Amino acid sequence: QIQLVQSGPELKKPGESLKISCKASGYTFTDYAMQWVKQAPGKGLQYMGWINTQTGKPTYADDFKERFVFSLETSASTAYLQINNLKNEDTATYFCARGHTMAYWGQGVMVTVSS
Amino acid sequence: DIVMTQAPLSVSVTPGESASISCRSSKSLLHSNGITYVYWYLQKPGKSPQLLIYRMSNLASGVPDRFSGSGSETDFTLKISRVEAEDVGIYYCGQLLENPMYTFGAGTKLELK
Repeated sequence: QIQLVQSGPELKKPGESLKISCKASGYTFTDYAMQWVKQAPGKGLQYMGWINTQTGKPTYADDFKERFVFSLETSASTAYLQINNLKNEDTATYFCARGHTMAYWGQGVMVTVSS
Repeated sequence: DIVMTQAPLSVSVTPGESASISCRSSKSLLHSNGITYVYWYLQKPGKSPQLLIYRMSNLASGVPDRFSGSGSETDFTLKISRVEAEDVGIYYCGQLLENPMYTFGAGTKLELK
């Protein structure tokens, strides 16, 4: 069955960096784009952008053009989200989702940024 | 950016009755290819969002046919017939027309009476 399994929760300090993973299984990884969505505590969904899993080209929504990097390890069917120079407002759950329709979602990674 | 406005922000429904959630977009979501790029997702408590409806009126795989989507170019409705306990959660509409500036509505919380 199709699964997106994300890495575990993170506790970081402002200014640090982190990289979270999204491992896909049950389908051909390069057949579908991978999307990223942010959900701050108690808030709604905010679209971050997507990465073309065939070419590796990332596309970022306006609010995520700085400090955020999407990447792939195609041989491992894994997508990554890296956040640099973490800020308190990056505290959120980050989801990966498959394809442009976002028909399948990972379980989310809770990121806490606190000094 | 396209703004998606949902109403109501919360709804309380008696099990077995129906519920409707509205979503309005600030711009037409009808593409020149004839497809209307509005989607509906449900986030159950403590869970990831799940796709319910894609391209305005198409039921996603595994979703009960109690759910249906309809609308025009800017006004959309998600209807849930015969609400059940498992339908509790927050419903989001989303526009997937303007890549990469996809946007979601604020969400509608559905509770049971």
